[in-house]
Amino acid sequence: AQSVSQHNHHVILSEAASLELGCNYSYGGTVNLFWYVQYPGQHLQLLLKYFSGDPLVKGIKGFEAEFIKSKFSFNLRKPSVQWSDTAEYFCAVNEGDSWGKLQFGAGTQVVVTP
Amino acid sequence: NAGVTQTPKFQVLKTGQSMTLQCAQDMNHNSMYWYRQDPGMGLRLIYYSASEGTTDKGEVPNGYNVSRLNKREFSLRLESAAPSQTSVYFCASNGLAGDNEQFFGPGTRLTVL
Repeated sequence: AQSVSQHNHHVILSEAASLELGCNYSYGGTVNLFWYVQYPGQHLQLLLKYFSGDPLVKGIKGFEAEFIKSKFSFNLRKPSVQWSDTAEYFCAVNEGDSWGKLQFGAGTQVVVTP
Repeated sequence: NAGVTQTPKFQVLKTGQSMTLQCAQDMNHNSMYWYRQDPGMGLRLIYYSASEGTTDKGEVPNGYNVSRLNKREFSLRLESAAPSQTSVYFCASNGLAGDNEQFFGPGTRLTVL
């Protein structure tokens, strides 16, 4: 079965610091990749997604992610975080031939201090 | 558009009680999903419905049943709740076959005593 690994469970950083969250998956075939964010008390929202094409994907709120096929990775980055980026971030993977179903990572809790 | 709605928002049950979680979407999506979210484990798929009239088991289906009542509604039933089912439950939906972006509801926080 496919697995999705997020390397950090908790990240604490100061405003204006750069953020990078790691995500690796185990499936060797075609994949669709997602990053979702869950702000405190809210439901999951899509940050960005990769289906095909340019492996550097830009999402909302200044986030971007890079798909590196050879490393089975889809790391999320933001050059300068804000206090409002405090949230839990989930990487999710859909195998290209398992239409619709998502496999989620365990999530990374990010706390940005003023 | 309300998107994906879920009821109730909170529920406390005693072991052995039953309940149904309701989910509805107004985006004319074909597929709907039920997940549970537990600390340190991310979201795990319980059941899904690829289209109206079909349902399939996900990763953690034991102790649950589902009904795809129509295109809009997808309910999750706990027949005999257990403390291990204490969790936050999310419903999601997505539309076209080539678009796997899922839209999530606000969640139901369930506690089983």
